[in-house]
Amino acid sequence: AQSVTQPDARVTVSEGASLQLRCKYSYSATPYLFWYVQYPRQGLQLLLKYYSGDPVVQGVNSFEAEFSKSNSSFHLQKASVHWSDSAVYFCALSMISNNRIFFGDGTQLVVKP
Amino acid sequence: GPKVLQIPSHQIIDMGQMVTLNCDPVSNHLYFYWYKQILGQQMEFLVNFYNGKVMEKSKLFKDQFSVERPDGSYFTLKIQPTALEDSAVYFCASSGTGSSAETLYFGSGTRLTVL
Repeated sequence: AQSVTQPDARVTVSEGASLQLRCKYSYSATPYLFWYVQYPRQGLQLLLKYYSGDPVVQGVNSFEAEFSKSNSSFHLQKASVHWSDSAVYFCALSMISNNRIFFGDGTQLVVKP
Repeated sequence: GPKVLQIPSHQIIDMGQMVTLNCDPVSNHLYFYWYKQILGQQMEFLVNFYNGKVMEKSKLFKDQFSVERPDGSYFTLKIQPTALEDSAVYFCASSGTGSSAETLYFGSGTRLTVL
């Protein structure tokens, strides 16, 4: 069965520091993988997505993610975070066979000034 | 980018009443979804809809739930009758076809409070 695991419920970093939010997936084939961000009282916004090609994908606001088939991971990274990056980040997986998307539990990112 | 609009943003109703949540999807999208989120927790899939039919639904999509998109207008989620455990934020999403079918665009949600 397919699933997405975000092992960190909450991550706190200082402004200007680097960031990695972890995501592991379980799926027998290569899935579509996504990172979405949810700001307070808003819907999810797509940060980036991956299906094939270069395992490092660039997204909005200088976020990037690296796909690793051997580790079944799709970690989100940013070199220098800003206080406005504070939000909940969801990793998600979609199967090719249908349009159903599975979300992880989300990671709350808190950026300290 | 593409926008999905949800109306209303908040809805408060008494238990047992009917409620309809409205979603205006991205104009050329053909796949539509409803997700449920309780207290900022995980987004949970309810249902997806294509070509006038429910394609797939989860166990959270109870018999009291129904979806439709009459005449290409709003994509709606109706709950009749509502229960206390239906209190949540409901997110609508839509996606296109072909290579863009897998990318969902979400609305800002409707916060439903059942008293």
